[in-house]
Amino acid sequence: DIQMTQSPSSLSASVGDRVTITCRASQSISSYLNWYQHKPGRAPKLLIYAASSLQSGVPSRFSGSGSGTDFTLTISSLQPEDFATYYCQQSYSTPPTFGQGTKVEIK
Amino acid sequence: EVQLVQSGAEVKKPGESLKISCKGSGYSFANYWIGWVRQMPGKGLEWMGIIYPGDSDTRYSPSFQGQVTISADKSISTAYLQWSSLKASDTAMYYCARRARTGVGGTYYNYMDVWGKGTTVTVSS
Repeated sequence: DIQMTQSPSSLSASVGDRVTITCRASQSISSYLNWYQHKPGRAPKLLIYAASSLQSGVPSRFSGSGSGTDFTLTISSLQPEDFATYYCQQSYSTPPTFGQGTKVEIK
Repeated sequence: EVQLVQSGAEVKKPGESLKISCKGSGYSFANYWIGWVRQMPGKGLEWMGIIYPGDSDTRYSPSFQGQVTISADKSISTAYLQWSSLKASDTAMYYCARRARTGVGGTYYNYMDVWGKGTTVTVSS
C-alpha cells in the first residue's frame, strides 16, 4: 500500500490566517491526490481532486498544488467554518489510502 | 439532488452478525462505484473496499479482505456492508461514498464526491 503522511498533525490558527497543510506519498503518485474536509458529526467533503482541481461549490480560498510525492493544501484566508480535520487521499492505486489527518483548530 | 442515505446506528454484541446499508438517489446508481470508509473512535479515515453495482465487481483493501463483505442490489439502488461475527474492534463510524471520475488533460482521476452521513456501529458485551 502507498503510505500518505500529512504534516502537521494539528495546527492552531486565527481567522484570516493563511494555512498550509502538506501531504507526502511514499512513492510517486503523479497528480492522483484528493483533499477532503471532515467536521465532527458530518460527512467528509471533497475539496480538491487531481491535486489542484477545485470541486464544484468549494470556495476559491482553498487551493491544492504538487505532483509526484509532495502536495500542499492551502487555505488563503481561514474562515470560522474552516475549522475541521483535513485528509489527503491518493487515488493512484488500490487501496486508495488516506493520510492520518490534520486538525485545524482555533487559536 | 444526489445523495446517499445510510441506515441507522447499531448496537451489537461480539459474535453477532450485522448488515448496514447505503441507498443512493438522484443519479444512476448502477453506473458509479460505491466505497466504504471506516473511522474508528478518535482516528482517521480508512478505505475498506468498493463495489460497482452494475455488475457487483468488488475490490477490498487487504486490511479488510475476509473481515467484511460488500454487496449491492442495483434494483433498489442500495449497497451493503456486512459482518458475520462482530468484534469489539469493529466499533466505528462507517461511511459510504460514491466514486466519481473526471478527465483532466487526458488523464482520468477518481475521487469520492458524495458521502453518506455515516452509520455508527457499537460492539460491546
